[in-house]
Amino acid sequence: GAVVSQHPSWVICKSGTSVKIECRSLDFQATTMFWYRQFPKQSLMLMATSNEGSKATYEQGVEKDKFLINHASLTLSTLTVTSAHPEDSSFYICSAAGQLLNYGYTFGSGTRLTVV
Amino acid sequence: KQEVTQIPAALSVPEGENLVLNCSFTDSAIYNLQWFRQDPGKGLTSLLLIQSSQREQTSGRLNASLDKSSGRSTLYIAASQPGDSATYLCAVQAGANNLFFGTGTRLTVIP
Repeated sequence: GAVVSQHPSWVICKSGTSVKIECRSLDFQATTMFWYRQFPKQSLMLMATSNEGSKATYEQGVEKDKFLINHASLTLSTLTVTSAHPEDSSFYICSAAGQLLNYGYTFGSGTRLTVV
Repeated sequence: KQEVTQIPAALSVPEGENLVLNCSFTDSAIYNLQWFRQDPGKGLTSLLLIQSSQREQTSGRLNASLDKSSGRSTLYIAASQPGDSATYLCAVQAGANNLFFGTGTRLTVIP
């Protein structure tokens, strides 16, 4: 089945630094990847949608200059949290959709970001 | 805008019981509906995917149904086990790039 690999699984960084999270589709080409944020005991909140070779589409209220998304190939999308602050601490999950609509979505294992 | 609701928000059952989780959505124009499982601090594992033209899908002890016209889906878990304890999320795909998540049901199966 489709596999999405997300790294790192957890990261602790100092306030003001930047952190990059990778999301790879291992056995299929992901034309579209999605980045979600999840706060404790809440459901997933879509942050942005990235399409290979084009700019990401950000949801309302998500700062595009703070959460940089790059989808340079059909198998890799990255999310960079720039100048991280403690309020950015959260669980970030990516998902990927293949080229056929009805295959559903495959999710990465998530990244726990803690900014101290 | 599509809204997805899951009830109950939390459920505790003794081991061995059969149980039903409910999911409702407001807009019946969907491509498909997926049920996911999420363990604490982990990503999402896809359990079942029901296409809009289908009425149910089965995998092992899990059975998911879909009634698109009424905007409802149920996930039936037979003979529950402690290892089934997790949060279950339903999500509807309402467009090429639109996946709407429910609020989740936190299931605890008591040994």
